[in-house]
Amino acid sequence: GENVEQHPSTLSVQEGDSAVIKCTYSDSASNYFPWYKQELGKGPQLIIDIRSNVGEKKDQRIAVTLNKTAKHFSLHITETQPEDSAVYFCAAFSGNTPLVFGKGTRLSVIA
Amino acid sequence: DAGVIQSPRHEVTEMGQEVTLRCKPISGHDYLFWYRQTMMRGLELLIYFNNNVPIDDSGMPEDRFSAKMPNASFSTLKIQPSEPRDSAVYFCASRKGQGANSPLHFGNGTRLTVT
Repeated sequence: GENVEQHPSTLSVQEGDSAVIKCTYSDSASNYFPWYKQELGKGPQLIIDIRSNVGEKKDQRIAVTLNKTAKHFSLHITETQPEDSAVYFCAAFSGNTPLVFGKGTRLSVIA
Repeated sequence: DAGVIQSPRHEVTEMGQEVTLRCKPISGHDYLFWYRQTMMRGLELLIYFNNNVPIDDSGMPEDRFSAKMPNASFSTLKIQPSEPRDSAVYFCASRKGQGANSPLHFGNGTRLTVT
């Protein structure tokens, strides 16, 4: 089955700097890659996603890239702000099974 | 829409007691998932339902865990008897369909502490 590895597990950046979180997946049939943000005391919330027919997608300060050949995808957050501090999860989906999540990255943005 | 609603938000119980967690999915969603979140293991899928029917319960850790979905708007996860190692945050999530155009929506979880 699918296996998703996520790195780093923790990340600290200065406010205004960029943050990058990377994930790899194992199942070449996976075709949908969402990213979730989990704030303290809340459930994960979808913030951006990318499908396998697209290499990059942007939404304001957030962007996701996908390299199907290498089976990895990344989340990029630019001009980080304190409210970006949260746990971020990547996931992969192949259409036949539920989403498989990475173990999460705790991002701390230091003001 | 109120989103996925879970109750209670917090549950503290003694080892050996029965625990029941509740979930109301988003109206119209036909898939419902139960996850457990711990620091060590991250988000683990326990079981999921499609149209109220359990599809895959291979993630349920032991026979002490059981889940039901008696109708499209309600599901329960029961632990009997509970043990300290069951302490975790339990999330319910729902989606409409299984395709890539069907985002997964999570509730805010139930934090379970078993002493």
